Amino acid sequence: DTGVSQNPRHKITKRGQNVTFRCDPISEHNRLYWYRQTLGQGPEFLTYFQNEAQLEKSRLLSDRFSAERPKGSFSTLEIQRTEQGDSAMYLCASSLNGASRGYTFGSGTRLTVV
Amino acid sequence: GESVGLHLPTLSVQEGDNSIINCAYSNSASDYFIWYKQESGKGPQFIIDIRSNMDKRQGQRVTVLLNKTVKHLSLQIAATQPGDSAVYFCAENLETSGSRLTFGEGTQLTVNP
Repeated sequence: DTGVSQNPRHKITKRGQNVTFRCDPISEHNRLYWYRQTLGQGPEFLTYFQNEAQLEKSRLLSDRFSAERPKGSFSTLEIQRTEQGDSAMYLCASSLNGASRGYTFGSGTRLTVV
Repeated sequence: GESVGLHLPTLSVQEGDNSIINCAYSNSASDYFIWYKQESGKGPQFIIDIRSNMDKRQGQRVTVLLNKTVKHLSLQIAATQPGDSAVYFCAENLETSGSRLTFGEGTQLTVNP
């Protein structure tokens, strides 16, 4: 078990460009979560999947953001027309069923929009 | 050393001392709580958890205390080591409402050798 894997670790993009991040959860975990973390703050929930179904989305997830988990394994988070305010660490986590079953975070993708 | 909730986000202690990190959570209905440690450039790492039907839980060198009356959590680290230096977050969850965690502000712990 290699834990939750996220790629890339760092991404620098120009404002207006689209970016996509990938998350590979722990293999037996059926739930996958995306969070955003800005400097000095705790992670903020964006969305989560149970298998391939996206069950909850935060109001933070504007229409420029889209997440998918097509086969119930890895997930992608896409941000279209990036803005400087999108600069943050994007964290992925996974668990087996509820929050109390091995909620494990990846190391995140650091996005910088210039 | 001891932090004072959300208004003192830094705590500096000497190696070998005990540390107490405090957290005020927001939802009185939350029924599960986790403490995470986050080192620079890394994701949050699970330390210890506690359910709302308990008021204390012990791990290796760490103890979590839960006071539901005042919606307060604390993390006690015994014999603090330089490797404990990190930001510590508490997180709360209401399991019947889904799997989102709501994180507190975080406390930067610095351990001086």
